[in-house]
Amino acid sequence: DTAVSQTPKYLVTQMGNDKSIKCEQNLGHDTMYWYKQDSKKFLKIMFSYNNKELIINETVPNRFSPKSPDKAHLNLHINSLELGDSAVYFCASSPAGAIYNEQFFGPGTRLTVL
Amino acid sequence: AQKVTQAQTEISVVEKEDVTLDCVYETRDTTYYLFWYKQPPSGELVFLIRRNSFDEQNEISGRYSWNFQKSTSSFNFTITASQVVDSAVYFCALSANNAGNMLTFGGGTRLMVKP
Repeated sequence: DTAVSQTPKYLVTQMGNDKSIKCEQNLGHDTMYWYKQDSKKFLKIMFSYNNKELIINETVPNRFSPKSPDKAHLNLHINSLELGDSAVYFCASSPAGAIYNEQFFGPGTRLTVL
Repeated sequence: AQKVTQAQTEISVVEKEDVTLDCVYETRDTTYYLFWYKQPPSGELVFLIRRNSFDEQNEISGRYSWNFQKSTSSFNFTITASQVVDSAVYFCALSANNAGNMLTFGGGTRLMVKP
């Protein structure tokens, strides 16, 4: 009965490859997010989607492309992976719109680029 | 722009000590929300509390308490009688009207509670 799930949990790949991380939420939320946590634990928003539409794109390289087939899913595709992309990526969801809404986070995907 | 600062990068205490984690924020919005999240060694992010900008009442939940002071733009978190299981990274975060509901996180404070 996981609320926000991500697959895979660990991803090890070579530089230059293309990879995807999947996220699904079963909370009925309208808004989903991707955050990146770097090696120093700093957490930063990457994307926000509301009802399958992009709301925020925080100056993320265009090698990163989120795709939302429906409001329960927000996948993250990364092309031409670089060493600096190594991080933990968290998906989150919240009810739509209001700033007071608690965001529910997935377990994270640890991406290692060799 | 909004910003959250957690000046303490790492704190080490002995079990049963009280410990306060500091959080200072900046925003131009008059309506905003402040949050604390816990990230234990297992890595997940666990929501602890939400406080809105119009409610300066302190809150207590068991051994946890939060002190929100608008005058100093601070939202500090105190753990009373700390336990080893409290060892984690704690994040303070801010959500405001001009930022599309995104959370701006502080850099986190790593708390180590030793037996």
